[in-house]
Amino acid sequence: DAKTTQPNSMESNEEEPVHLPCNHSTISGTDYIHWYRQLPSQGPEYVIHGLTSNVNNRMASLAIAEDRKSSTLILHRATLRDAAVYYCILRASTSGYALNFGKGTSLLVTP
Amino acid sequence: NAGVMQNPRHLVRRRGQEARLRCSPMKGHSHVYWYRQLPEEGLKFMVYLQKENIIDESGMPKERFSAEFPKEGPSILRIQQVVRGDSAAYFCASSPPTGLNTEAFFGQGTRLTVV
Repeated sequence: DAKTTQPNSMESNEEEPVHLPCNHSTISGTDYIHWYRQLPSQGPEYVIHGLTSNVNNRMASLAIAEDRKSSTLILHRATLRDAAVYYCILRASTSGYALNFGKGTSLLVTP
Repeated sequence: NAGVMQNPRHLVRRRGQEARLRCSPMKGHSHVYWYRQLPEEGLKFMVYLQKENIIDESGMPKERFSAEFPKEGPSILRIQQVVRGDSAAYFCASSPPTGLNTEAFFGQGTRLTVV
């Protein structure tokens, strides 16, 4: 399975941008980069995904390196409600389309 | 437009009893995934099903656990003869006829406690 590496934890101040990094040096050409988050005591929630180009949606932006070996999830203005564990996942046909969650990055947002 | 519905939200079973967890996917979704999250740990993939078919059960324990997704009705995760180590949150996700370019939608989970 293609693996990802994320920092265990990060901290941000409220209303500031947050850049959550993810390394995936063994990514293959057909793997999609997905981000999910899990708020305390809730099920995971889809955030964003992409293949090669940068992506934007109402929740976040995804910046993908030109060589695709890393990506960054960008929360433009962190709120207290963004405190969660963020998972960077490679969705590959070789893993049977299942999302394989790693340990993720625990984001703490302080007022 | 209801999301993925899981029930019950909380389930308490005594050791040796059976636990049945239900998952109704989003309308139009024919693919269901089950995950388990032990206390203070990450989500572990268990099984991936399409209607009437198990596609990938590589994460399912070999004994006591089974899953189905019948033509009609919800997907069921069944745990026989539960033990204390089965206490966990069980999450279900659904997605449309899948590709790598689709997102999965998760339910709120069933929290199983074995006493």
